[in-house]
Amino acid sequence: RKEVEQDPGPFNVPEGATVAFNCTYSNSASQSFFWYRQDCRKEPKLLMSVYSSGNEDGRFTAQLNRASQYISLLIRDSKLSDSATYLCVGYSSNTGKLIFGQGTTLQVKP
Amino acid sequence: GAGVSQSPRYKVAKRGQDVALRCDPISGHVSLFWYQQALGQGPEFLTYFQNEAQLDKSGLPSDRFFAERPEGSVSTLKIQRTQQEDSAVYLCASSLGGSEFYEQYFGPGTRLTVT
Repeated sequence: RKEVEQDPGPFNVPEGATVAFNCTYSNSASQSFFWYRQDCRKEPKLLMSVYSSGNEDGRFTAQLNRASQYISLLIRDSKLSDSATYLCVGYSSNTGKLIFGQGTTLQVKP
Repeated sequence: GAGVSQSPRYKVAKRGQDVALRCDPISGHVSLFWYQQALGQGPEFLTYFQNEAQLDKSGLPSDRFFAERPEGSVSTLKIQRTQQEDSAVYLCASSLGGSEFYEQYFGPGTRLTVT
């Protein structure tokens, strides 16, 4: 079983929709989490850091549930430009490494 | 400002050839990471440098993989006797520090295809 698991999708949504991705993690030593965005054939870029229970940045909200060991990313009012792969990432404090999930692909349609 | 750069961007190697992939981190970034990203997967950790010291190489898949950062800036990932399963995108990332509180900035990657 992978340490960080995501539904690969794809999620196909219309513009303006609200979409949520979930990510589960198995290593309880992971204390910090991140959502990275990766466009096709491009490098990953940090979208949001989650150090406590959650974080919000404009249309994007991340929530962390330590008891259930999952992190979610909510995107409100989806734009065409939100189409990308969203990578859920855990930081393992006992190894000092970033552990990436497989990524969830989002396609926002006009 | 300049981000992380990698070269070459694309590399086609015949099975059994040696390849060398270069990473130029952001100036002043102490930490440098190499990742391997297979098609449809997330990046997987290969190795980590703090300045010139290789602190963790636990992710290197075999002894055919070797990385160095001799002067604490530019890093090279070398793969000897390439195999088809080495085909992937190799990403380099750098950060100001090694903990989770320092953002890792990724380069565009080198796409390696072994034929």
